[in-house]
Amino acid sequence: ILNVEQSPQSLHVQEGDSTNFTCSFPSSNFYALHWYRWETAKSPEALFVMTLNGDEKKKGRISATLNTKEGYSYLYIKGSQPEDSATYLCAFIQIRDSNYQLIWGAGTKLIIKP
Amino acid sequence: DADVTQTPRNRITKTGKRIMLECSQTKGHDRMYWYRQDPGLGLQLIYYSFDVKDINKGEISDGYSVSRQAQAKFSLSLESAIPNQTALYFCATASGHKYNEQFFGPGTRLTVL
Repeated sequence: ILNVEQSPQSLHVQEGDSTNFTCSFPSSNFYALHWYRWETAKSPEALFVMTLNGDEKKKGRISATLNTKEGYSYLYIKGSQPEDSATYLCAFIQIRDSNYQLIWGAGTKLIIKP
Repeated sequence: DADVTQTPRNRITKTGKRIMLECSQTKGHDRMYWYRQDPGLGLQLIYYSFDVKDINKGEISDGYSVSRQAQAKFSLSLESAIPNQTALYFCATASGHKYNEQFFGPGTRLTVL
């Protein structure tokens, strides 16, 4: 059974502070790792698609790193703003014996305090 | 106009009833997915389709069936709804690019009494 874990489950951060959280996934048969941002009452939206060990992606104040050998990805937010409040989901994709498997983490709920 | 639409957006039904949730997309994507989301859990994949007539079970397909009638449409059916199928259901699409990101519909909140 594949397990994708995100930690922490929730996080309260003061506006202006930087923060980071983790997505852990199996290190074998890695294919891709996606990060999504899910605001309350909206649908998840893709932030990053990461495919290579050592990948670093950046979009504004948000960045992500990938370590496929040890099975983790970090998402960083620099100088948090109230609009960063959302649940951040990671999705792990594995292809094994031609079988495609996509497993989602439960998400990290980020709340920015003004 | 939204690229991925779901109907209905909200539905309350009774145990034993047959329910169909519809998903349509204008993105021209080949791949379509149905998920359910329960509080405190991640998105759970129910079924997915990589092309018309291609149907694949996800991790929680029991109690559900799907139909991919056309590239733009992917419907999810609950043949005999039960209360533990009460959840938020999302449809998503993706291009055939191998590292494809997914684009989600607005969700359907289903309550089974």
